[in-house]
Amino acid sequence: GNSVTQMEGPVTLSEEAFLTINCTYTATGYPSLFWYVQYPGEGLQLLLKATKADDKGSNKGFEATYRKETTSFHLEKGSVQVSDSAVYFCAQHTGRRALTFGSGTRLQVQP
Amino acid sequence: NAGVMQNPRHLVRRRGQEARLRCSPMKGHSHVYWYRQLPEEGLKFMVYLQKENIIDESGMPKERFSAEFPKEGPSILRIQQVVRGDSAAYFCASQDPTGSANYGYTFGSGTRLTVV
Repeated sequence: GNSVTQMEGPVTLSEEAFLTINCTYTATGYPSLFWYVQYPGEGLQLLLKATKADDKGSNKGFEATYRKETTSFHLEKGSVQVSDSAVYFCAQHTGRRALTFGSGTRLQVQP
Repeated sequence: NAGVMQNPRHLVRRRGQEARLRCSPMKGHSHVYWYRQLPEEGLKFMVYLQKENIIDESGMPKERFSAEFPKEGPSILRIQQVVRGDSAAYFCASQDPTGSANYGYTFGSGTRLTVV
């Protein structure tokens, strides 16, 4: 069936470090792919999305490219800030229109 | 334009009691999804509703759980005879009427249910 696999956290970085959070998916067909961010005590916010192969989603300095050949959608940011500390979820849209989420990766950025 | 509103934010129930979780979607949205997030895990789909209809409840436990989205008023997720394993954060998401998969979803802040 459809699934999403993320790298386990927590990921601990110093401010201004480079961030990569890996995400791979399995799906029948070509799903839309999303990254969501969850700050402590809050709901999920859409960070970025890509709807077809080779699309690049970007927002707030974060980027992710839809790679069909490797079934991946890795999240990257060139220089993280303390305010980026949160849990990041990779997700895909399935045929029934509900989202399938990865287990989440906690990012901790230290000053 | 208010976002997706969920209440209560926190709910404590004793084992065997009923829990009612409410979700008011964004104005103009007629599609509602409920997800459950167990501690340190991702969100798991439970049920997808449109006004007065359950479209997909494949993620709902077969017993004790039910959901509705009436013509008027919020969507309700109801858990009867709660057990400790029901303790989780329950999130509601809404989507615009076209229901396009490309638009993403707007999530509420969740209801954190604790069963004692």
